Amino acid sequence: DPKIIQKPKYLVAVTGSEKILICEQYLGHNAMYWYRQSAKKPLEFMFSYSYQKLMDNQTASSRFQPQSSKKNHLDLQITALKPDDSATYFCASSQTTGNNQAPLFGEGTRLSVL
Amino acid sequence: TQTVSQSDAHVTVFEGDSVELRCNYSYGGSIYLSWYIQHHGRGLQFLLKYYSGNPVVQGVNGFEAEFSKSDSSFHLRKASVHWSDSAVYFCAVSSYQGGRALIFGTGTTVSVSP
Repeated sequence: DPKIIQKPKYLVAVTGSEKILICEQYLGHNAMYWYRQSAKKPLEFMFSYSYQKLMDNQTASSRFQPQSSKKNHLDLQITALKPDDSATYFCASSQTTGNNQAPLFGEGTRLSVL
Repeated sequence: TQTVSQSDAHVTVFEGDSVELRCNYSYGGSIYLSWYIQHHGRGLQFLLKYYSGNPVVQGVNGFEAEFSKSDSSFHLRKASVHWSDSAVYFCAVSSYQGGRALIFGTGTTVSVSP
C-alpha cells in the first residue's frame, strides 16, 4: 500500500485557473516537502515543512502556496496557472529534517496547463 | 552553493554487466549524499545515502556507492545489472539546514539490454 498518497495522479488545467494538489503521508513523519520535475529542468526543491511549519521556500513565485491542515497533510495550491507550470509535482516526507534522513517520495501529480 | 553533476546522460549495458554511474558534487561543508531511482512514470525510490563513517555504503538491490572527499564524488555501482534496473538514477546532495532541501543532478538513464 502506498504510504505517501498524492491526488490526483493526472490533472489538466486551463491557463489562469487555480488548482490544489493533495498530499497525505501515513508514515508518521514530521517533515514534508514538495519537489517539481519538468522537461526543462531537473528535479527542483520547492518547500519543506517541519511540524506543520514552513522551514524553507525555494520557490520564487507566490502563486505556489503550501497548506498544512494536519500534521500528515501538505497540499500545494497553485494560482493563476501558466503553461510553464506544467510539470510533475512530487510530495516527499521524512521523520525529521535532520541529518541521516532520506525523504521518501510519492508517485507524483502530473499537471498539464493548457 | 551546492551543485551536483552527473556527467553521463545515458548509459547502455547488457544484463549481467557491471555499471558505474558518476556523481560529482561541489560543497565545502558537511554534506549528505544520496541516490534515488526513478522508473518510467513513477516516483523516486531511495537507494542509499552517505553522511559519515564508512565511505562505501550499501543500498537496496545490490547497489553500493563510494564517497570520496578528495574527488568530490559519490559514484554508484552495481556488479551485475538486471533488466529491471533500467531507469533514471538521480544523485542528490544537501547540507544540514533546517529545510533539508535535496539538490538533484540531471539524472543518468540506464538502459539494460538482454
